[in-house]
Amino acid sequence: AQTVTQSQPEMSVQEAETVTLSCTYDTSESDYYLFWYKQPPSRQMILVIRQEAYKQQNATENRFSVNFQKAAKSFSLKISDSQLGDAAMYFCAYRSLNDYKLSFGAGTTVTVRA
Amino acid sequence: DGGITQSPKYLFRKEGQNVTLSCEQNLNHDAMYWYRQDPGQGLRLIYYSQIVNDFQKGDIAEGYSVSREKKESFPLTVTSAQKNPTAFYLCASSRLAGVSSYEQYFGPGTRLTVT
Repeated sequence: AQTVTQSQPEMSVQEAETVTLSCTYDTSESDYYLFWYKQPPSRQMILVIRQEAYKQQNATENRFSVNFQKAAKSFSLKISDSQLGDAAMYFCAYRSLNDYKLSFGAGTTVTVRA
Repeated sequence: DGGITQSPKYLFRKEGQNVTLSCEQNLNHDAMYWYRQDPGQGLRLIYYSQIVNDFQKGDIAEGYSVSREKKESFPLTVTSAQKNPTAFYLCASSRLAGVSSYEQYFGPGTRLTVT
């Protein structure tokens, strides 16, 4: 399995502020997918955003955006204008183009302060 | 409503007993997956299947078994050989080609406690 590392077990952010979650990964492949999944207290996994490695442009979905640095093998998630509903555990995940399996990081718990 | 169902939500078993976790999907997806989630370790792949009657071991298959007799169903059996079976188990499915084939859809999970 590919190694995906999330070095921040917990992050706290004030409502309406911005928080950035870090993710690094290890691969020898040139083409792959990267994902951020959200797991709220209900424990339902929800796809937040994805990035194809061949695309240079960083993906954006509303208040969520990524900073994809392919050479550094870094894939951070920025949550802007944080809302109380953003409180959850966030997982970074990697998928090879030649496979369907996902490799997950250990997760970062995000707390939003009102 | 299309989606993935897992039952039951909570499951309790005595040590030494086999237990089967259910996973059903009506999304017409070809591929299905089982993950285990432990605190501080993220999700780890147990087994996956891309077609009926075929499945492959994931990273932590020891002590588990699966079957795929129908496209819609992918039950997971936690055997007595699994040393630490207490965990949260998530089932997922995905297309193998076409639009959104990269995305895995997850069920609500089953919390298994073995004492």
